Amino acid sequence: KQEVTQIPAALSVPEGENLVLNCSFTDSAIYNLQWFRQDPGKGLTSLLLIQSSQREQTSGRLNASLDKSSGRSTLYIAASQPGDSATYLCAVLYSSASKIIFGSGTRLSIRP
Amino acid sequence: EAQVTQNPRYLITVTGKKLTVTCSQNMNHEYMSWYRQDPGLGLRQIYYSMNVEVTDKGDVPEGYKVSRKEKRNFPLILESPSPNQTSLYFCASIRTSGGGTDTQYFGPGTRLTVL
Repeated sequence: KQEVTQIPAALSVPEGENLVLNCSFTDSAIYNLQWFRQDPGKGLTSLLLIQSSQREQTSGRLNASLDKSSGRSTLYIAASQPGDSATYLCAVLYSSASKIIFGSGTRLSIRP
Repeated sequence: EAQVTQNPRYLITVTGKKLTVTCSQNMNHEYMSWYRQDPGLGLRQIYYSMNVEVTDKGDVPEGYKVSRKEKRNFPLILESPSPNQTSLYFCASIRTSGGGTDTQYFGPGTRLTVL
């Protein structure tokens, strides 16, 4: 069964720290993987998308990596800020216009 | 502005009273999808549609219906809502660009409570 897992479920770190969020998937034959941010009571905002042929993508302080062979993606956040506090979700698409599977998310809290 | 809209944003109803949540996108995307989000379970796909008149089940389709009569709209229908369908619902559309660049765009969500 295709599953996507995010551990830990919650993470609290002091402001300024660099941190890594993890996303694991059981079936490595992915089409792409997308990272989202969700603020409480809000919709999802796309952060980064990594195609299956790519190893990483960067946007500002965010860097997402992909290792299909090990079934893992990581989201690296540099110099964390209180405004980064949110839930971060990863989603795996296994082929174009097919089922999409989300992880259950990591709730991140950045302490001032 | 490119967007996905959902209505209503909040709905409280009673068991068995049919309801429809509308979803519309203005990006001419072929692919649209419905999710529900529950604490500890993340987002689970209910139904998706690859094009007009083409739909398929996601992971949790029981108790839901969808239709795709035109490209921009993808309504979610609950024929006989039950309390276990109390949840936060999201509609999404995907730009299917090919080459692995399919990108999801989400609506703002509909919070449904079934009493």
